[in-house]
Amino acid sequence: ETGVTQTPRHLVMGMTNKKSLKCEQHLGHNAMYWYKQSAKKPLELMFVYNFKEQTENNSVPSRFSPECPNSSHLFLHLHTLQPEDSALYLCASSQDSRGNEQFFGPGTRLTVL
Amino acid sequence: QKEVEQNSGPLSVPEGAIASLNCTYSDRGSQSFFWYRQYSGKSPELIMFIYSNGDKEDGRFTAQLNKASQYVSLLIRDSQPSDSATYLCAVNLAGGGADGLTFGKGTHLIIQP
Repeated sequence: ETGVTQTPRHLVMGMTNKKSLKCEQHLGHNAMYWYKQSAKKPLELMFVYNFKEQTENNSVPSRFSPECPNSSHLFLHLHTLQPEDSALYLCASSQDSRGNEQFFGPGTRLTVL
Repeated sequence: QKEVEQNSGPLSVPEGAIASLNCTYSDRGSQSFFWYRQYSGKSPELIMFIYSNGDKEDGRFTAQLNKASQYVSLLIRDSQPSDSATYLCAVNLAGGGADGLTFGKGTHLIIQP
């Protein structure tokens, strides 16, 4: 596979469930990102990892927990989410986090019931 | 507070004409500027990036940057119906600012056959 992949592509979960989103990049990049895209709102940066170290947490609630075991993989662990967390969650990667162009995965469409 | 402003549109342009998309940003320290195209239900796709004042051309696309006016634009020549999409402007503050990109809300472009 090439580029940035994300699984699952669609997820429906209840407010008490625990689930994880997975992202994998095959571009040899060192930085990975999680973004949230809600209807009628700009893309919101959630987390940034550069060389496996978290460098940015944009005041994201603790019910979202990122994990970056290596430069190619990024997870977003979800628990006790709220209906307003329903959105498209996008993963992206770049060579590093210092202003390089970012490439996006296809996203996970999340619905919280 | 970094902000990126775009007219949400819709911007309607006849096929074959030039589409002009505009973006302003609030942070004078911004160093990198990107244009992404996003089709409905899909993830953003990078189409242009520009770092220096002036024009940068790639096929039918031209990005224009004026750092003094904090203004970046995208011109699409010979517009095609397949150019109909939402165009996202994004900026990154390199070397000291937050990592990741700050996105505008996007401009919805419609090319009328």
